[in-house]
Amino acid sequence: EPEVTQTPSHQVTQMGQEVILRCVPISNHLYFYWYRQILGQKVEFLVSFYNNEISEKSEIFDDQFSVERPDGSNFTLKIRSTKLEDSAMYFCASLDLNGREAFFGQGTRLTVV
Amino acid sequence: DAKTTQPTSMDCAEGRAANLPCNHSTISGNEYVYWYRQIHSQGPQYIIHGLKNNETNEMASLIITEDRKSSTLILPHATLRDTAVYYCIVRVATNFGNEKLTFGTGTRLTIIP
Repeated sequence: EPEVTQTPSHQVTQMGQEVILRCVPISNHLYFYWYRQILGQKVEFLVSFYNNEISEKSEIFDDQFSVERPDGSNFTLKIRSTKLEDSAMYFCASLDLNGREAFFGQGTRLTVV
Repeated sequence: DAKTTQPTSMDCAEGRAANLPCNHSTISGNEYVYWYRQIHSQGPQYIIHGLKNNETNEMASLIITEDRKSSTLILPHATLRDTAVYYCIVRVATNFGNEKLTFGTGTRLTIIP
């Protein structure tokens, strides 16, 4: 079964450092998303991406965040200057053209110290 | 997206059918009912979705009331691996793919041996 792959599975970074979380969506999917889940809380939408541009972003997705699809396969989330409150699981998801079923990756656990 | 209401937690004996209810009394005519689950801190997993007809796939069945104000997810023969948080989500599904998923707190289903 096709799957969304995320790397790394766990990243520890110092406050103020930049991090890049990587995702390889399913190959024929066209819509891409980032969600996050702070420990013990809900899964929250961050951003959606289609046709090489952001479709929608939440209020969480401020100027410290950016997304990019640098080539035909990777989809990245960059946090420019991490804060302690950025510690969370970050999930990438992709959706096929029919827009019915979103496939999620297994997540990257980001710990900011 | 319309708001959904689910019980906070439920138990079910292994081998029995697990019936998870969801209320979505403000659902609009073009909104689908989706079910996802999250096992531990893994990425959410799609289970099933429907508009107004009952649906069945290899994982579960979805029963939607005639007025579409509520639905029930049925896991016909629950196993220990079905222990997870189950999310009922209503969303528009179009071919544009920018309709994010809005996760609530879900129902924590525990399968009892």
